[in-house]
Amino acid sequence: NAGVTQTPKFRVLKTGQSMTLLCAQDMNHEYMYWYRQDPGMGLRLIHYSVGEGTTAKGEVPDGYNVSRLKKQNFLLGLESAAPSQTSVYFCAGRQAGGFYNEQFFGPGTRLTVL
Amino acid sequence: AQKVTQAQTEISVVEKEDVTLDCVYETRDTTYYLFWYKQPPSGELVFLIRRNSFDEQNEISGRYSWNFQKSTSSFNFTITASQVVDSAVYFCALSDRQGGKLIFGQGTELSVKP
Repeated sequence: NAGVTQTPKFRVLKTGQSMTLLCAQDMNHEYMYWYRQDPGMGLRLIHYSVGEGTTAKGEVPDGYNVSRLKKQNFLLGLESAAPSQTSVYFCAGRQAGGFYNEQFFGPGTRLTVL
Repeated sequence: AQKVTQAQTEISVVEKEDVTLDCVYETRDTTYYLFWYKQPPSGELVFLIRRNSFDEQNEISGRYSWNFQKSTSSFNFTITASQVVDSAVYFCALSDRQGGKLIFGQGTELSVKP
């Protein structure tokens, strides 16, 4: 099993460009999450999904959109990148059931917006 | 509002020293779950432990131990006889009932020097 994977691993964008980050999992996770990690701020939730076809906003959703058309994939889109979106992005998934289940994280995507 | 605070931004110790990482949380829920994750220099996030709000027993796993005290809203992590391989950023997190989202602390960067 590959677990939780993220594509790409690194990306450099210019201000105003768009891109999509792909998260894929083969662990049958019902729930999936996108976080961003910035120095001194821990990880903050951008958007999440509680099942195929559903999405919901997290703590810092502005400037991002998401889609979960298939259970195994969770896409994060930046329509018009800004320097403030320079960050490391982590995708995570977890099993259905209680909120006690741990989340499994992908390896991260390092994004730089110039 | 739910919140997790890791007041120690950076800790530096010499190998074989014991070290405790502090975690204080805030929540209005009576049932909740706390987690610790490790982020080594390679960048991935590794799940270490989960603790539910009804279980105040301390837990020990090899050189790692966790002390959960509801009376002080703390969930501290101790590494005994630290090793260089313990060098990492450690995150404490609280699981939110809504969607099982994780609320992370700011992280503590532990540096273990030989």
